[in-house]
Amino acid sequence: QSALTQPPSASGSPGQSVTISCTGTSSDVGGYNYVSWYQQHPGKAPKLMIYEVSKRPSGVPDRFSGSKSGNTASLTVSGLQAEDEADYYCSSYAGSLVVFGGGTKLTVL
Amino acid sequence: QVQLVQSGAEVKKPGSSVKVSCKASGGTFSSYTISWVRQAPGQGLEWMGRIIPILGIANYAQKFQGRVTITADKSTSTAYMELSSLRSEDTAVYYCARELTVAGTVYAFDIWGQGTMVTVSS
Repeated sequence: QSALTQPPSASGSPGQSVTISCTGTSSDVGGYNYVSWYQQHPGKAPKLMIYEVSKRPSGVPDRFSGSKSGNTASLTVSGLQAEDEADYYCSSYAGSLVVFGGGTKLTVL
Repeated sequence: QVQLVQSGAEVKKPGSSVKVSCKASGGTFSSYTISWVRQAPGQGLEWMGRIIPILGIANYAQKFQGRVTITADKSTSTAYMELSSLRSEDTAVYYCARELTVAGTVYAFDIWGQGTMVTVSS
């Protein structure tokens, strides 16, 4: 099972919006609505930001939103803030297993 | 408030095995599904496998089949991940994580352990 494809980096200025893509196949992203997104700051455990493509856990700001079209899922961060600078990972259910993306480093300029 | 607390850092020789524990507190352990995810230094996240404690059923990523064993002890609310035939490429932080359930698992990990660093070196 191959990893999902994410851009290695993304950036935006405070207040702007940035979108991170996550491309898989019909066997994972395209086949199920079980796409999740995680935020990871250096030295910390990942934090769940989005599940089931577009749902936010309690406590996650509504600046974070998710969507999916075909085999590609996306995470959009609106109103960028300095604390949003982190690594972001997507994951998807792939039929009895879970696969992650390679990660995207988000820089707030 | 559910917490997952993992065992401490390990240094192992190539060819040996390591067993990492993950103790849950503050919830009903048997009702969770626990996954193990690893992260090599400077690299991304990699799913290794999962266990449903109430059933004692585990499944593994193909990459680790035959080398990894995930178990759970309901009496102590503890999950374990044992990795054998260690090589230098297994040097990583190993995390346990609880799968979020919303009328069934949604294959998302909402609670994470603090991570256990495993170093494989001769």
